[in-house]
Amino acid sequence: DSGVTQTPKHLITATGQRVTLRCSPRSGDLSVYWYQQSLDQGLQFLIQYYNGEERAKGNILERFSAQQFPDLHSELNLSSLELGDSALYFCASSVEGTTPTDTQYFGPGTRLTVL
Amino acid sequence: AQSVAQPEDQVNVAEGNPLTVKCTYSVSGNPYLFWYVQYPNRGLQFLLKYITGDNLVKGSYGFEAEFNKSQTSFHLKKPSALVSDSALYFCAVSPPPSSNTGKLIFGQGTTLQVKP
Repeated sequence: DSGVTQTPKHLITATGQRVTLRCSPRSGDLSVYWYQQSLDQGLQFLIQYYNGEERAKGNILERFSAQQFPDLHSELNLSSLELGDSALYFCASSVEGTTPTDTQYFGPGTRLTVL
Repeated sequence: AQSVAQPEDQVNVAEGNPLTVKCTYSVSGNPYLFWYVQYPNRGLQFLLKYITGDNLVKGSYGFEAEFNKSQTSFHLKKPSALVSDSALYFCAVSPPPSSNTGKLIFGQGTTLQVKP
């Protein structure tokens, strides 16, 4: 168990809908990262938050947004869902996240299925 | 731009034999390299990382990785494979310190199949 929790484990929804994925980092970690894992794209970095502020952005669609709250948990919001958004979404956390030497610890993921 | 490549989609090895999962990298500046393992229906688990220093890095579950600067490689190794090592393995690289982020850029992954 990495100490990173994600809810829900599974999410099934329809095209055009909006969902929210939640992540609680390990105790003491200030950075939260979101990644998307799909068969065609592999494991892609979406966005990073550090102590409540956006730190880095990757291949995140405009329909997706995220935030990190004062208690350091994070939410990833996916809207106007398309079939191609079906994927496994991982959250990871690290102590700092401002240097490349930090180790990231991953949650179990949320499997999103868009029908 | 930073990138890693895992040239093999799948590696098959017999239990008890040594295993190698290959990774090559392309970075500007010093490389910061990681190996993660993903078991079915699980999240990624950290195995080891290379930041600086010894070219042979020891990690969890008996795994080690050899950093080779001249060949720009960071291959994952284990002297004696177990059936329970069967999983999906990812190599990853982190951008340089000047980017002020610890985000990871992953390879496509290599499925390791260890047969009894």
